[in-house]
Amino acid sequence: SQQGEEDPQALSIQEGENATMNCSYKTSINNLQWYRQNSGRGLVHLILIRSNEREKHSGRLRVTLDTSKKSSSLLITASRAADTASYFCATVDPGTYKYIFGTGTRLKVLA
Amino acid sequence: IAGITQAPTSQILAAGRRMTLRCTQDMRHNAMYWYRQDLGLGLRLIHYSNTAGTTGKGEVPDGYSVSRANTDDFPLTLASAVPSQTSVYFCASSDSGQGQQFFGPGTRLTVL
Repeated sequence: SQQGEEDPQALSIQEGENATMNCSYKTSINNLQWYRQNSGRGLVHLILIRSNEREKHSGRLRVTLDTSKKSSSLLITASRAADTASYFCATVDPGTYKYIFGTGTRLKVLA
Repeated sequence: IAGITQAPTSQILAAGRRMTLRCTQDMRHNAMYWYRQDLGLGLRLIHYSNTAGTTGKGEVPDGYSVSRANTDDFPLTLASAVPSQTSVYFCASSDSGQGQQFFGPGTRLTVL
């Protein structure tokens, strides 16, 4: 399989805590993207980090990228119950432009 | 602006029947994609199209076909449905083929 792997598969935290999820991938990339999926809905794009970037911020989101280890992490600070969702990383094969999604992390934020 | 729409929302289908899932986008995006999502397996790419008139196979193309006659529409056809095609199907589009993808709301398909 060409799929990436997210870690952990599931995460349960209290509101106000930080949530960290990790993604590993297998191929060379131009960028890595994180998406969010609420139950039963389509995915929504959160943030994109290019291969020449090491860290990127967007509101309460912080993404890091380590191309030498082929890994990325997504940090959600000061989590809210509304952050409860599944989170997926995705990479794009630079040769074919196919997107490859990971298996996702299910985050549950308890109020 | 609707973005990207899919039809039907859900469908129950007898095995062996032919079915076309519809996908339309109004963002004039060049690239469009079909994924299936199964529990524990994430999203798997079925077929994609980098521009109107071209299509390509993804990770799990067998049993599915697509066409891209114009920029806006990207229908997915199951020629003869089988129970293993029971899944949630998502259509997506992107402008550049490497940037942000926009997803439709999905079609929940059950093949009996």
